[in-house]
Amino acid sequence: EPEVTQTPSHQVTQMGQEVILRCVPISNHLYFYWYRQILGQKVEFLVSFYNNEISEKSEIFDDQFSVERPDGSNFTLKIRSTKLEDSAMYFCASSERQGVTDTQYFGPGTRLTVL
Amino acid sequence: GDSVTQMEGPVTLSEEAFLTINCTYTATGYPSLFWYVQYPGEGLQLLLKATKADDKGSNKGFEATYRKETTSFHLEKGSVQVSDSAVYFCALSQGGSEKLVFGKGTKLTVNP
Repeated sequence: EPEVTQTPSHQVTQMGQEVILRCVPISNHLYFYWYRQILGQKVEFLVSFYNNEISEKSEIFDDQFSVERPDGSNFTLKIRSTKLEDSAMYFCASSERQGVTDTQYFGPGTRLTVL
Repeated sequence: GDSVTQMEGPVTLSEEAFLTINCTYTATGYPSLFWYVQYPGEGLQLLLKATKADDKGSNKGFEATYRKETTSFHLEKGSVQVSDSAVYFCALSQGGSEKLVFGKGTKLTVNP
């Protein structure tokens, strides 16, 4: 069964460094998402992406964050200058179509630790 | 804004016990409601969903009914198995938005 994959599974970085989290969505999916979960808190929506553009973003997704689909398979989340509070589990998701009833398929997550 | 509140865990049950995980929501309009499950080392998987009031979602023996009058979507299973041990997330989504709004998750452990 097709699945969303994410790399790395765990990333440790120093505060102020740039990190890129990578995701490979399911191949025929057109809509892509990033969510994060700070330890002990809720899973929070960051951004959705379609047709090489951000289609929706949350207040969390400020200028420090960016997303890109650099080729036909990868979808990346970049954090330009990491802060301690960026430490979280980051989940990538994809869906075939837009709409609240279409299923979003999630990857296993990347745990980001900022020291 | 929209929000989801679910029962805090962890929940520990014996095999074949009855499971209820409570979920209530706050939302304007008529959201769609979901339960996702995350098994160890894996991504969140859609377990079931309901898109309108009184709908019942069901899958793998789990059920949840969309109750608009109580703004609830409680997850139930009549007889849990060890393999049901996972983290369960309640979520909602509103028309016109692509984002899912999640609760904190409830960790379930089922002992043999």
